[in-house]
Amino acid sequence: GAVVSQHPSRVICKSGTSVKIECRSLDFQATTMFWYRQFPKQSLMLMATSNEGSKATYEQGVEKDKFLINHASLTLSTLTVTSAHPEDSSFYICSAKRDRRDTEAFFGQGTRLTVV
Amino acid sequence: AQSVTQLDSHVSVSEGTPVLLRCNYSSSYSPSLFWYVQHPNKGLQLLLKYTSAATLVKGINGFEAEFKKSETSFHLTKPSAHMSDAAEYFCVVSDLDQGGKLIFGQGTELSVKP
Repeated sequence: GAVVSQHPSRVICKSGTSVKIECRSLDFQATTMFWYRQFPKQSLMLMATSNEGSKATYEQGVEKDKFLINHASLTLSTLTVTSAHPEDSSFYICSAKRDRRDTEAFFGQGTRLTVV
Repeated sequence: AQSVTQLDSHVSVSEGTPVLLRCNYSSSYSPSLFWYVQHPNKGLQLLLKYTSAATLVKGINGFEAEFKKSETSFHLTKPSAHMSDAAEYFCVVSDLDQGGKLIFGQGTELSVKP
């Protein structure tokens, strides 16, 4: 149990377009989901925390108008990279918790975004 | 605030020899600690977790870690490395002061030589 699925696993888009990444909890309800960004050879950087039915909480330095996060249901959160630029190219990973008080989170397989 | 420090950015071992990946934590209370593994271009897989039960935690694939409060350490070990263990390893603490946010170490790249 506790499977988190991310889609797509890879995406290439043109500069100036928007890209949506989905994160689904397949066999549990996730009240809290997290979005991370990872640069090559670096650790994961938390971008934002989303709780179902409320606005996401963004980390300092993350542009909320550029990285739109929606958590409309207990099994789905989406990250939309708006007006993408080459510097947005990165590996994006989501994770999900059943309850915000849980210590353990379950991770998706990641999405490799390349903006050309 | 809680934090973790992984003491080695890169560790190289020979196949069949022991693995030691070091992690120190900083916490004002009893922490929840995790080790995750990440293979190239993949998500994270949980190896093991410590949540204030037994101090010696056994995980998957023969890995284990020992929580040592006196040393504020949570080192990851495996008796005998396998080629498939080559990956990036992250030591992680759950920060209850920040709503259970996971705080990641910098990562340790493990290489396994034949």
